[in-house]
Amino acid sequence: EAGVAQSPRYKIIEKRQSVAFWCNPISGHATLYWYQQILGQGPKLLIQFQNNGVVDDSQLPKDRFSAERLKGVDSTLKIQPAKLEDSAVYLCASSLFLLGTVGYTFGSGTRLTVV
Amino acid sequence: TQLLEQSPQFLSIQEGENLTVYCNSSSVFSSLQWYRQEPGEGPVLLVTVVTGGEVKKLKRLTFQFGDARKDSSLHITAAQPGDTGLYLCAGETNAGKSTFGDGTTLTVKP
Repeated sequence: EAGVAQSPRYKIIEKRQSVAFWCNPISGHATLYWYQQILGQGPKLLIQFQNNGVVDDSQLPKDRFSAERLKGVDSTLKIQPAKLEDSAVYLCASSLFLLGTVGYTFGSGTRLTVV
Repeated sequence: TQLLEQSPQFLSIQEGENLTVYCNSSSVFSSLQWYRQEPGEGPVLLVTVVTGGEVKKLKRLTFQFGDARKDSSLHITAAQPGDTGLYLCAGETNAGKSTFGDGTTLTVKP
């Protein structure tokens, strides 16, 4: 089966600019996650969708980050305006069930550098 | 907030050696996953453990879930350079919320 697709792979922007990331999960996976992974740390959950509804966005900095999954399939994550501390890898993952006892499948991520 | 602590943070060994890495928490998890992440890639699932005391083997890798479902270990026998990577554990609660540890960076030298 095709994996989780993410684009772009790399992005360099100046602080205060805007940026958007795209994710297409594995076909049929109802649950989609966006994670932020800062260098030297584990992934931190930003937002979790079940179909097109938000399950958990408690750690999403809502003053600058937004995400949507309008048709319950692909998703976009936006940062506006970006700060230096947003430099990180943004990972998208999907799972078949809400309870990920079968684990998540991750995409390769988007590496964001804010200068 | 569930906190997962992984140790050691870094581990560098010679090919053929055995090693164990740990994942500890004060919280109880309904399941725990181990992932391996290589540079420039997303984490790849190795195993999921669900039952307290459970032991799973994947070739040279042995995973154990603690009896109280608060901790886990990963043992690698006769490590190979291809085992090099970042090993992450992730604990999931009954509500479907997962928390990742910060990982153990393993380097296996030929």
